[in-house]
Amino acid sequence: GENVEQHPSTLSVQEGDSAVIKCTYSDSASNYFPWYKQELGKGPQLIIDIRSNVGEKKDQRIAVTLNKTAKHFSLHITETQPEDSAVYFCAASRVTGGSYIPTFGRGTSLIVHP
Amino acid sequence: DGGITQSPKYLFRKEGQNVTLSCEQNLNHDAMYWYRQDPGQGLRLIYYSQIVNDFQKGDIAEGYSVSREKKESFPLTVTSAQKNPTAFYLCASSRDREDYGYTFGSGTRLTVV
Repeated sequence: GENVEQHPSTLSVQEGDSAVIKCTYSDSASNYFPWYKQELGKGPQLIIDIRSNVGEKKDQRIAVTLNKTAKHFSLHITETQPEDSAVYFCAASRVTGGSYIPTFGRGTSLIVHP
Repeated sequence: DGGITQSPKYLFRKEGQNVTLSCEQNLNHDAMYWYRQDPGQGLRLIYYSQIVNDFQKGDIAEGYSVSREKKESFPLTVTSAQKNPTAFYLCASSRDREDYGYTFGSGTRLTVV
């Protein structure tokens, strides 16, 4: 099955710095890569996603890049703010039994210091 | 506003008792999912359902059961056979099997003593 590795597990930055979270996946059949943000005590929220026919996607301060050859994708957050502090999960999705089921990474705890 | 409601937010049960976690959505989504979250483990799939009266086992289904009698509801029962039930449980939904993005509920933290 699919295996998703996510690094780092913890990332501490100063407000205004950039943050980068990296994920690798094993199954070349995966073709959808969402990123979720989970604040303390809440469920994850989809913040950005990318499909395998696209190499990069940007939404304001957040961008995601995908390298299908190397099987890795990354989340980039620029001009970080304290409200960006949360746990971020990457995922890789492939068809399983006729449905798209994601495999999640273990999460990155991002801490933005004011 | 549309969304997913999980209740209760905190649940305490004695070891050996079955317990049912509620998940209701008013998004008119066809697919619903249950995940378990443990510290440092990410999200692991327990069960999922693509349509009413049908559901499939995920990666860690042992000790759990579900039902899908209504489109809006997908309750999860944690049975006494689940050896380590204390965890944070998340319910999610998506529009259909080909709609990739999930909407998650706010979770239920189950503690078994």
